[in-house]
Amino acid sequence: QSVLTQPPSVSAAPGQKVTISCSGSNSNIGNNYVSWYRQLPGTAPRLLIYENNKRPSGIPDRFSGSKSGTSATLGITGLQAGDEADYYCGTWDSSLGSVFGGGTKLTVL
Amino acid sequence: QLQLQESGPGLVKPSETLSLTCTVSGGSISNSRYYWGWVRQPPGKGLEWIRSIYYSGSTFDNPSLKSRVTISVDTSKNQFSLKLNSVTAADTAVYYCARTDPAMPGEPFDSWGQGTLVTVSS
Repeated sequence: QSVLTQPPSVSAAPGQKVTISCSGSNSNIGNNYVSWYRQLPGTAPRLLIYENNKRPSGIPDRFSGSKSGTSATLGITGLQAGDEADYYCGTWDSSLGSVFGGGTKLTVL
Repeated sequence: QLQLQESGPGLVKPSETLSLTCTVSGGSISNSRYYWGWVRQPPGKGLEWIRSIYYSGSTFDNPSLKSRVTISVDTSKNQFSLKLNSVTAADTAVYYCARTDPAMPGEPFDSWGQGTLVTVSS
């Protein structure tokens, strides 16, 4: 059971927008930055969003992040077939250290 | 460009010790800006952080694994290592080494190794 709660799956059609939620508590999201990672099948996770809403170099602005209270959201616009992957949120928990959500599988219909 | 590469046995017997090394190239492990850590992923499951270490040797621990984990840094070889003792089948996973930038709790893992599958089986 993950400390951070994500929906197991989301889906949308190509070109559409999708959001993925990540719910935590005051011991983690409420008082720390949130990061988002994308994991394509058979590959290592890749950082998409850090410090709630910042994009590393090379990540297109189709990807966005936001945080409100003890929840965070990843948004992806202009969905492409290549966006099919597992997406994970991550943050710091005051008792547990670095924690991740259980992951969300994105299907592009 | 920074690269991280995990190495170690792919098969470990139950009750024995899992040992992995992460070799860092394209950057110095002694850079005070970064933490270096291990994350694992059991087959078909999510990510689990194991432990992170600073170049000075100070560590941050996952409480659930702390008693079984040793992590160390070898600055002369630009490597850091993981040892997990008393392994069981539940420790079967892909093990990733990763860098945290900047070196502060809550900051992200911005660079990852490709991962190495370790299977615990007799």
